Amino acid sequence: DGGITQSPKYLFRKEGQNVTLSCEQNLNHDAMYWYRQDPGQGLRLIYYSQIVNDFQKGDIAEGYSVSREKKESFPLTVTSAQKNPTAFYLCASSIGQGRWNNEQFFGPGTRLTVL
Amino acid sequence: RKEVEQDPGPFNVPEGATVAFNCTYSNSASQSFFWYRQDCRKEPKLLMSVYSSGNEDGRFTAQLNRASQYISLLIRDSKLSDSATYLCVVSNFGNEKLTFGTGTRLTIIP
Repeated sequence: DGGITQSPKYLFRKEGQNVTLSCEQNLNHDAMYWYRQDPGQGLRLIYYSQIVNDFQKGDIAEGYSVSREKKESFPLTVTSAQKNPTAFYLCASSIGQGRWNNEQFFGPGTRLTVL
Repeated sequence: RKEVEQDPGPFNVPEGATVAFNCTYSNSASQSFFWYRQDCRKEPKLLMSVYSSGNEDGRFTAQLNRASQYISLLIRDSKLSDSATYLCVVSNFGNEKLTFGTGTRLTIIP
């Protein structure tokens, strides 16, 4: 089955620790994205990548880092500099490359709780 | 002003009724429009794209009004399984970035 996987589903970390969230897709999509969702708020874009070895900051990139070494993978690191990291993190992908129909497909998400 | 605005609800609607949501967007250059559905504690999933001429998919009808910069979603003969949060999403042509509304929560009551 083609799709997007995220792991782990739930993650607990102590304050001050860095943590890396995994995102893998086998849809052969060029573009990948990371969002965070907080209760009562819409999805906010953290980082996105339109092609391998390239990525751009989204609206709330501070305290986060990403890499895109492979087309299939787009891991997100939540660093200790992120002031309020507890949230629901969603990874998505789309065909990319300026296609007019830029539907995004989402992974199941990771719920991060920082204690 | 938010780029994409939706009435957060909640909308509590009896089964079988018709319900309509509106969403307004601020960027007149927006070209692509979508409705996503998000179940509680799950990821968003595409419900339907919204085309200039309007489009229908079974019980769901989406319409776009570019002059007034709003899109709408109509659900007819609502089912219990329609209970979810509906997200309005817009983007510019060729720009893979999507802007999400905060969502409208719908509960269908038996």
